[in-house]
Amino acid sequence: DVKVTQSSRYLVKRTGEKVFLECVQDMDHENMFWYRQDPGLGLRLIYFSYDVKMKEKGDIPEGYSVSREKKERFSLILESASTNQTSMYLCASRTGGWGRTANTGELFFGEGSRLTVL
Amino acid sequence: AQKITQTQPGMFVQEKEAVTLDCTYDTSDQSYGLFWYKQPSSGEMIFLIYQGSYDEQNATEGRYSLNFQKARKSANLVISASQLGDSAMYFCAMRETRISGTYKYIFGTGTRLKVLA
Repeated sequence: DVKVTQSSRYLVKRTGEKVFLECVQDMDHENMFWYRQDPGLGLRLIYFSYDVKMKEKGDIPEGYSVSREKKERFSLILESASTNQTSMYLCASRTGGWGRTANTGELFFGEGSRLTVL
Repeated sequence: AQKITQTQPGMFVQEKEAVTLDCTYDTSDQSYGLFWYKQPSSGEMIFLIYQGSYDEQNATEGRYSLNFQKARKSANLVISASQLGDSAMYFCAMRETRISGTYKYIFGTGTRLKVLA
């Protein structure tokens, strides 16, 4: 089974702190994604990566950056956390190769990281 | 712009009855994919069902079926014989292909389903 692991389920940080959210997948997936989930807004794409060291901005990249130095790991960075970044953050991955999951293109999600910025 | 609309913020259904969760989408692409995910209170996103834009048959997976009406741009999820464990948030999503050839996934705002005993 595909496993996507997010390093922290719950984090509490202070305004202005630098925050790292880590995501690791164990199925050699090429594509990885970071979303934030807020009530009434659904999931909104922050950044995604289609290969090592490759990234594209999503719909709400402001205030965030990402790093993908290794295929299995995709990190979300909040350079200077603000209270409006309090949210649930979801990491996901998908294969860029062949097979059933490539045909469907389903995303595999981690359990989420709930970040509170005080 | 591509968009997913889920107009039902919350729904109730009696156990063992069927329920339909609505989803409409907007895209100018010819090739796209539609998905439904379930998110229980524990938070993990569980993939339920997929429909490709060129698939002529409606997708089915066990008690889940996707009522795909391409001309109306709707992709409603039907859950038959509801169970208490179906109580969760449900998200409709669409995959689009960007000019760069990469994939982007857009999600709706979700429908919270409560199954009543």
